[in-house]
Amino acid sequence: DAGVIQSPRHEVTEMGQEVTLRCKPISGHNSLFWYRQTMMRGLELLIYFNNNVPIDDSGMPEDRFSAKMPNASFSTLKIQPSEPRDSAVYFCASSLDISGNTIYFGEGSWLTVV
Amino acid sequence: AQSVTQLDSQVPVFEEAPVELRCNYSSSVSVYLFWYVQYPNQGLQLLLKYLSGSTLVKGINGFEAEFNKSQTSFHLRKPSVHISDTAEYFCAVTNTGGFKTIFGAGTRLFVKA
Repeated sequence: DAGVIQSPRHEVTEMGQEVTLRCKPISGHNSLFWYRQTMMRGLELLIYFNNNVPIDDSGMPEDRFSAKMPNASFSTLKIQPSEPRDSAVYFCASSLDISGNTIYFGEGSWLTVV
Repeated sequence: AQSVTQLDSQVPVFEEAPVELRCNYSSSVSVYLFWYVQYPNQGLQLLLKYLSGSTLVKGINGFEAEFNKSQTSFHLRKPSVHISDTAEYFCAVTNTGGFKTIFGAGTRLFVKA
């Protein structure tokens, strides 16, 4: 069974450009999470969806960040405009809708904004 | 709200030595506890989790952890480490009945030959 699939794996972009990160969760999972990992802040939860509905977006840093989940098999995280401080690894993860269930992570999208 | 504190940012240890990675949590309600491992350039994967029952939990790769409610701890142990255990280890907590998992800052385990 395929795991969580993220694209692109690596992206280098110039400040001010729009960045779109994509995620395909594990089939059958109905919770989806976006995390950001940096050396300074560690692993931060940005937003999570349950049954395609955003449940908690309190971790989204500012209005430049937005996330969508138009269907059960696809989600995007968009940054517009991007800034150098957005450079990080962005992880998408999914799980079954059961408290205490294991979260399965993708391999991450490594974003560098120059 | 719950929180997780990993007391050591880095733990260097020699191969075949025992290791303990420490984790403390705080929460006003019952919790589920997890340890995840992240190998270089990869996402996190589950090592083990405590949901209920026996407080000693065994996971993959010979790791185990003990839930101590009175000390609000969930320390991870391995009696003999290998070079391949070099990775970053994350302790995490979720409120029972909740879906928001909070991760600690991570502990980097470095196993030396």
